Amino acid sequence: EPEVTQTPSHQVTQMGQEVILRCVPISNHLYFYWYRQILGQKVEFLVSFYNNEISEKSEIFDDQFSVERPDGSNFTLKIRSTKLEDSAMYFCASSEGLATYEQYFGPGTRLTVT
Amino acid sequence: GNSVTQMEGPVTLSEEAFLTINCTYTATGYPSLFWYVQYPGEGLQLLLKATKADDKGSNKGFEATYRKETTSFHLEKGSVQVSDSAVYFCALREKTSYDKVIFGPGTSLSVIP
Repeated sequence: EPEVTQTPSHQVTQMGQEVILRCVPISNHLYFYWYRQILGQKVEFLVSFYNNEISEKSEIFDDQFSVERPDGSNFTLKIRSTKLEDSAMYFCASSEGLATYEQYFGPGTRLTVT
Repeated sequence: GNSVTQMEGPVTLSEEAFLTINCTYTATGYPSLFWYVQYPGEGLQLLLKATKADDKGSNKGFEATYRKETTSFHLEKGSVQVSDSAVYFCALREKTSYDKVIFGPGTSLSVIP
């Protein structure tokens, strides 16, 4: 069964450093998403991406964050200058369509900022 | 705005007990509803879904019915197993905009032998 993959599974970085989290969505999917889950808290929407542009973003997704689909398969989340509070599990998701189509989630990247 | 509320955990049950995890939602339209499960150390897996009123989603012995009149989507299982120990998230997907998923806070379930 097709699945969303994410790399790395765990990333440790120092405060102020840039990180890039990578995702490979399911190949025929058109809609891509990033979510995050701070330890012990609920999963929060960050951004959605369609047709090579951001379609919606939350208030969390400030200027320190950016997303890109650099080629036909990868979808990346960049955090320009990490802060301690960026430590979280980051989930990528993709969907074939809107409305009744479910989003398929990757296994997550645990980001630890020290 | 749209939101999802779940019963607080943690919930601890004995094996073969009946499980109910309550979920209610607030939405401006008629969203699709989901239950996701997160096993320890793993990512989010879709457990079941329902896309319109009175639909029943089911999978692995779990069931939930989309109740528009009570804006609820309670998760049930007749006989839980130790392997069902996980965090369960109720969620909705708006049929507007680009359809982000809104998650509830999650309910942790522990099943003891």
